[in-house]
Amino acid sequence: QVQLQESGPGLVKPSETLSLTCTVSGGSISSIYWSWIRQPPGKGLEWIGYIYYSGSTNYNPSLKSRVTISVDTSKNQFSLKLSSVTAADTAVYYCARIAYYGSETYWYFDLWGRGTLVTVSS
Amino acid sequence: DIVMTQSPDSLAVSLGERATINCKSSQSVLYTSNNKNYLTWYQQKPGQPPKLLIYWASTRESGVPDRFSGSGSGTDFTLTISSLQAEDVAVYYCQQYYSTPFLFGQGTKLEIK
Repeated sequence: QVQLQESGPGLVKPSETLSLTCTVSGGSISSIYWSWIRQPPGKGLEWIGYIYYSGSTNYNPSLKSRVTISVDTSKNQFSLKLSSVTAADTAVYYCARIAYYGSETYWYFDLWGRGTLVTVSS
Repeated sequence: DIVMTQSPDSLAVSLGERATINCKSSQSVLYTSNNKNYLTWYQQKPGQPPKLLIYWASTRESGVPDRFSGSGSGTDFTLTISSLQAEDVAVYYCQQYYSTPFLFGQGTKLEIK
């Protein structure tokens, strides 16, 4: 049973960089696309970006200038960095798996982590 | 960008009655080469991550009760719960995966009347 677990600081100061890691357990990170999605308190879902195990990425243009997603296959982890954060970046951050069947990617999110709340405040 | 708009924003339905949530995309999410609509529905209960209910607009995810069904094509889609149960109280989101950025609808909050 594959599981995803987000980890990282729950409090980040304005103008600093938010850093989170998603650990994939019960399965390999290889040959699959992985994504970050966030949800401000009481609001809807926003896709941040995705990464392939090889390292290729695709980011939401609304965040592209501040986002870096990376992967560490040796640790079965992928990570999110969001720079120059403000209060508007306060949200629950989810990592998710992009669905696949065999060698074909289906692009919807079929498995989610439980999420981690990151608050931006001084 | 393909913008997703759901209606209504909130809905109250009696137990055992039908609930219908609509989702409209700003352009078609039907990929004509494979005749598939790149549209999913998620259910999110308080304090939980979203759960995949429906993909390809009408295919139920394994384990999802058959009272949940999805329909529609092109730009107009519907999620129907045929007989509302207490455990279906949640916020429901549609999402297009036809092109990036992957965008979600604003959500529909479903409550018991």
